Amino acid sequence: KQEVTQIPAALSVPEGENLVLNCSFTDSAIYNLQWFRQDPGKGLTSLLLIQSSQREQTSGRLNASLDKSSGRSTLYIAASQPGDSATYLCAVRPMDSNYQLIWGAGTKLIIKP
Amino acid sequence: DVKVTQSSRYLVKRTGEKVFLECVQDMDHENMFWYRQDPGLGLRLIYFSYDVKMKEKGDIPEGYSVSREKKERFSLILESASTNQTSMYLCASSMIRGLGAFFGQGTRLTVV
Repeated sequence: KQEVTQIPAALSVPEGENLVLNCSFTDSAIYNLQWFRQDPGKGLTSLLLIQSSQREQTSGRLNASLDKSSGRSTLYIAASQPGDSATYLCAVRPMDSNYQLIWGAGTKLIIKP
Repeated sequence: DVKVTQSSRYLVKRTGEKVFLECVQDMDHENMFWYRQDPGLGLRLIYFSYDVKMKEKGDIPEGYSVSREKKERFSLILESASTNQTSMYLCASSMIRGLGAFFGQGTRLTVV
């Protein structure tokens, strides 16, 4: 059974630092992996989607990598800003499913001014 | 950009009421989902639909039903609201094996 883990559960860093959020999964048979951002009391915003054949995706200051063989993905945030403060979730789509997403519990990120 | 719109941001309903949560997507996606999100429990799938009039139970369907009469609209129904259904409800849509899932802004439901 696929399980997705995000460590740490919470992270607080000073503004300007580069940081890495981690997502690990137990079964490498995935179709894709998606990173989301959630602000308090709001819905989820899709940040980056990595297909299983890809190694990384970039959008602005964000870079997500995928290593299927080791069951790991990282979300790299460069030059962090207070506006980056949010909860970041990752989700994987198993290869044998047209719809199912398996979710991590999220990392709550606080960027201190 | 894909847009998923939930009809209400905040709702307050009384115990026993029938509650309708509406979700509309504008990208002709086949799949639509209803999740609830509670502190410490993460996202839990209530129901999903892969086509018009088709539905499948998720992990926690008890106390809920759904309706999908048109491709763009997916409704979540609480037949008789109870206080333990107080939660954040999130609607999402996706293509089959496509370009990821897209979420609405969420509905914070309080049942009193």
